[in-house]
Amino acid sequence: DGGITQSPKYLFRKEGQNVTLSCEQNLNHDAMYWYRQDPGQGLRLIYYSQIVNDFQKGDIAEGYSVSREKKESFPLTVTSAQKNPTAFYLCASSPDRDTDTQYFGPGTRLTVL
Amino acid sequence: SQELEQSPQSLIVQEGKNLTINCTSSKTLYGLYWYKQKYGEGLIFLMMLQKGGEEKSHEKITAKLDEKKQQSSLHITASQPSHAGIYLCGAGWAQTSGSRLTFGEGTQLTVNP
Repeated sequence: DGGITQSPKYLFRKEGQNVTLSCEQNLNHDAMYWYRQDPGQGLRLIYYSQIVNDFQKGDIAEGYSVSREKKESFPLTVTSAQKNPTAFYLCASSPDRDTDTQYFGPGTRLTVL
Repeated sequence: SQELEQSPQSLIVQEGKNLTINCTSSKTLYGLYWYKQKYGEGLIFLMMLQKGGEEKSHEKITAKLDEKKQQSSLHITASQPSHAGIYLCGAGWAQTSGSRLTFGEGTQLTVNP
C-alpha cells in the first residue's frame, strides 16, 4: 500500500544527544515537510523540501537539520542545540509544489530525558 | 497562528447532536484544508475548499468557505463517537511560495454516547 511511514513511533533520548527521525514515502510525491506539534498548539513547520537535493527552512528551523538525497526519504535530525525538543513530530508529503493537499505520516513522539 | 484562528478550542456534545467548528483567516485564502487527528496519530485529510461559496460533504461532515474566502465552517450532523478527535484547519496563502500550509490550533471534539 502507498503511504508515508515514520519510525520509530516513540523515541527517548538523553539531553545533549542528537537524534534522527525517519520519514519515508512511496507515493512518488515531490514535496515533503516536517512539522512539530506541542500540546494545545497547531502544527509548526520546521523544514520543507519541494524537490530532491533542495530544502527550505520553515518557521522554527533552529536546532534542526534535514537532508533530501532521495525522493522518497526526508530524515529530520534534532540536534542538541534545540532547546525544547520534546514534542510530537509529523512528516507530510504532497504531489508537487503546486498541489497544496498534504498527506501525513503517523508521527513520532520524541521525549528528551 | 494568529493568521488563522479556530473556534471553539474544545467542544463536548451528546451523541446525535449537530455541531459547527469555525476557522477564520486574517487574509484572503488561496485554499482551506480540513484535517482530523486522533490523539497521538497523524492527520487525516478530510476536504479542501478553494472557491468562494464552495461547499463539500463527506459522509456526515460538511465544510463551507465563505464568499470572501476568509472563513470556513465545518459542520457535523448527528454526531457519533467516531467523530471524536482534533479537527484542524490549514490555510494556503496565494502569496506563499510552493505549497506551505499554516495550521490553526485545532478543536478538540468529544462526543459522549
